Amino acid sequence: QKEVEQNSGPLSVPEGAIASLNCTYSDRGSQSFFWYRQYSGKSPELIMSIYSNGDKEDGRFTAQLNKASQYVSLLIRDSQPSDSATYLCAVNRGSARQLTFGSGTQLTVLP
Amino acid sequence: DGGITQSPKYLFRKEGQNVTLSCEQNLNHDAMYWYRQDPGQGLRLIYYSQIVNDFQKGDIAEGYSVSREKKESFPLTVTSAQKNPTAFYLCASTTGNEQYFGPGTRLTVT
Repeated sequence: QKEVEQNSGPLSVPEGAIASLNCTYSDRGSQSFFWYRQYSGKSPELIMSIYSNGDKEDGRFTAQLNKASQYVSLLIRDSQPSDSATYLCAVNRGSARQLTFGSGTQLTVLP
Repeated sequence: DGGITQSPKYLFRKEGQNVTLSCEQNLNHDAMYWYRQDPGQGLRLIYYSQIVNDFQKGDIAEGYSVSREKKESFPLTVTSAQKNPTAFYLCASTTGNEQYFGPGTRLTVT
């Protein structure tokens, strides 16, 4: 079992719809969870971090964390073509704040 | 401007040659990390350093070496012992929990 799993996609949604991205992790001791956006050929950009159970909202983005079920999700409301990218889920491990990444979900928002 | 810089952006080398990738940050971050990314895959940790003059192996350290002589700098050497060095190399840094990435170096070895 991979430590951090994401559906690879591709996921396509129409412009204005809600995009839902999911991630599960295996280490119950993980405390910090992150979503990165990566445009093709570019480096990852941190868009959300979440540390406690529940929802965290930032503009059109909402991160949801359920530690009991070991999943993290990212909702993108009012999706725009500019949201088309690969979204990477990352989970912390170890005392040196190392991150384990999922393989990413490719999202395409259709105009 | 504060940030993380990596150079060069693209690097081409012949098999059997060592190559050093540069990573510099002026964010006063204490911890720095090197990852590699292969097409269609997530990031895998190569080496990390929490303080100057100290660093630890990550998940795929074989064929790589690093140094941390200054807080701002964390260069990565890809040696000839690395079997599949062609990849996108990413440097990151943090002072808390959130890691921020440099623009990356795309290395091609033929």
